[in-house]
Amino acid sequence: EDQVTQSPEALRLQEGESSSLNCSYTVSGLRGLFWYRQDPGKGPEFLFTLYSAGEEKEKERLKATLTKKESFLHITAPKPEDSATYLCAVQAQVDNAGNMLTFGGGTRLMVKP
Amino acid sequence: DGGITQSPKYLFRKEGQNVTLSCEQNLNHDAMYWYRQDPGQGLRLIYYSQIVNDFQKGDIAEGYSVSREKKESFPLTVTSAQKNPTAFYLCASRAAGRGINEQFFGPGTRLTVL
Repeated sequence: EDQVTQSPEALRLQEGESSSLNCSYTVSGLRGLFWYRQDPGKGPEFLFTLYSAGEEKEKERLKATLTKKESFLHITAPKPEDSATYLCAVQAQVDNAGNMLTFGGGTRLMVKP
Repeated sequence: DGGITQSPKYLFRKEGQNVTLSCEQNLNHDAMYWYRQDPGQGLRLIYYSQIVNDFQKGDIAEGYSVSREKKESFPLTVTSAQKNPTAFYLCASRAAGRGINEQFFGPGTRLTVL
């Protein structure tokens, strides 16, 4: 069974204080790993897809990295508007004709000015 | 503007009633998905459809039903058989094609059972 665990569950940062969010996964052959941002009461917003170990993607203050067992979302010099819940999801290669995703529980990030 | 719309934004249901949540997309995506989100938990898949007139159960399909009569529309009915329907419901869609795996989400419907 595919599993995704995100840590920490919640993270409080001061504005400008860089940090990383972790996504550990077990999957029967990784097709892709996805990061989403979700604001309260809204649908998730797609951020990145990573396909293979060693891959990195960047967008503004966010950088996502991938190893064979986990992914990190690095946030450099965060601003209050980066406050949100960040979701990680994996897509298995095996028996997944529907391209289904398995989600982690999310990390709630709060950035104080 | 292309996107996914869900309606209503808020829905209140009395116990014993069936309710239908709407999901429409104008992205020309082939695949559509319904998820349920509970506080502190990840998204769980209810149903998905890869083509018109075909759909499959996800991990938590009991008490729910869907239809896919048009490519643009994938409504979800929450039946009275669903024991704990209060949750945030999210619809997503995905384009077909090799290497296109990202799902894009609508704004969600919050269902509350009174």
